[in-house]
Amino acid sequence: ETGVTQSPTHLIKTRGQQVTLRCSSQSGHNTVSWYQQALGQGPQFIFQYYREEENGRGNFPPRFSGLQFPNYSSELNVNALELDDSALYLCASSLGTSYNTGELFFGEGSRLTVL
Amino acid sequence: AQSVTQLDSQVPVFEEAPVELRCNYSSSVSVYLFWYVQYPNQGLQLLLKYLSGSTLVKGINGFEAEFNKSQTSFHLRKPSVHISDTAEYFCAVARADAGNKLTFGGGTRVLVKP
Repeated sequence: ETGVTQSPTHLIKTRGQQVTLRCSSQSGHNTVSWYQQALGQGPQFIFQYYREEENGRGNFPPRFSGLQFPNYSSELNVNALELDDSALYLCASSLGTSYNTGELFFGEGSRLTVL
Repeated sequence: AQSVTQLDSQVPVFEEAPVELRCNYSSSVSVYLFWYVQYPNQGLQLLLKYLSGSTLVKGINGFEAEFNKSQTSFHLRKPSVHISDTAEYFCAVARADAGNKLTFGGGTRVLVKP
């Protein structure tokens, strides 16, 4: 059973650019959630995808968007990058959207630096 | 909306001493409660969770936590820490009626000294 894998592990972008981060879910998991963790802070919920549909969104602007594919892998896209977007982006997969069916399993994250 | 406050940003502790990490939450609805650990340059790993039942929850690596509804707290404890427990610890809540979307506290950095 493979765990949650994210790519790239590190990347540097400049303000105004666009970025795509990728996540491969743990085998058998149909739900993926994305979190942003700024330096020295706790993770913040961005959004969740369940069976390719968005299933809840945190307080993030529309320039943060996502996709989930039929194999349940996922992408996080951020347009018009701002300096404050510099953070560790964490992906978590689960079997279902309820803690009664399964817990979240986190990847090691993609660290984005915006200059 | 839910919120989580971790009262200590850093906790230095000597090896083999006990440690307690404090967590208080605020919510108008029933919540589930969690503690996660983050080792340097790694993702989050679940230590323990409270969904229902006994208010004393035992987790991995010798950690335990107690849910106190009247004080809206979920403090984490370990009776004897090891050097390998040096990490950042996050308390989190999720609405019991809204699935597995977590609200995290700001974290407590534990530094275990020899």
